[in-house]
Amino acid sequence: DAKTTQPNSMESNEEEPVHLPCNHSTISGTDYIHWYRQLPSQGPEYVIHGLTSNVNNRMASLAIAEDRKSSTLILHRATLRDAAVYYCILRSGGSNYKLTFGKGTLLTVNP
Amino acid sequence: ETGVTQTPRHLVMGMTNKKSLKCEQHLGHNAMYWYKQSAKKPLELMFVYSLEERVENNSVPSRFSPECPNSSHLFLHLHTLQPEDSALYLCASSQDFSRPGNTIYFGEGSWLTVV
Repeated sequence: DAKTTQPNSMESNEEEPVHLPCNHSTISGTDYIHWYRQLPSQGPEYVIHGLTSNVNNRMASLAIAEDRKSSTLILHRATLRDAAVYYCILRSGGSNYKLTFGKGTLLTVNP
Repeated sequence: ETGVTQTPRHLVMGMTNKKSLKCEQHLGHNAMYWYKQSAKKPLELMFVYSLEERVENNSVPSRFSPECPNSSHLFLHLHTLQPEDSALYLCASSQDFSRPGNTIYFGEGSWLTVV
């Protein structure tokens, strides 16, 4: 399985942008990059996903490097509610469909 | 609300008990999943069902028995569990299990404590 590497933890201040990095140097051409987050005592929540181009939605933006070996999840204005563990996951099709979670990045948002 | 509902939210059971976790999805999806999340460990995929057929059994002990009577409902039957099986059990669904661009929607989980 293609692996991802994320920092164990990051800290941000409320109302400031947050850039959460993810390295995936062994990504294959058909792997999608997914981001999920898990708030305390809840199930994971979908944030965003992309293949090659940068993506935006109401929650966040996903910036994908040109060589696709890294990506960055951007929260434009962090709120206290964004404090969570953020998971960067590669997902393939066919027989490698599994969504395999790593340890993720624990984001702390300071008021 | 993600469209995936799990019951009960909390369950305490003895090692000799038999209980079941229930999951229902209102999204019209074809694939459903059980994940296990133990303290300080990553989520582990346990079972995958596609159109009521099991497509993945990830080396899960037989004391965990899944059942998928239709594409909207998924059960996890529990019997003779061990204290180390105490964990958060998460149900999820997606439109199709094999398409990598599909989003997976998770329920809020069932907290299980085995005493």
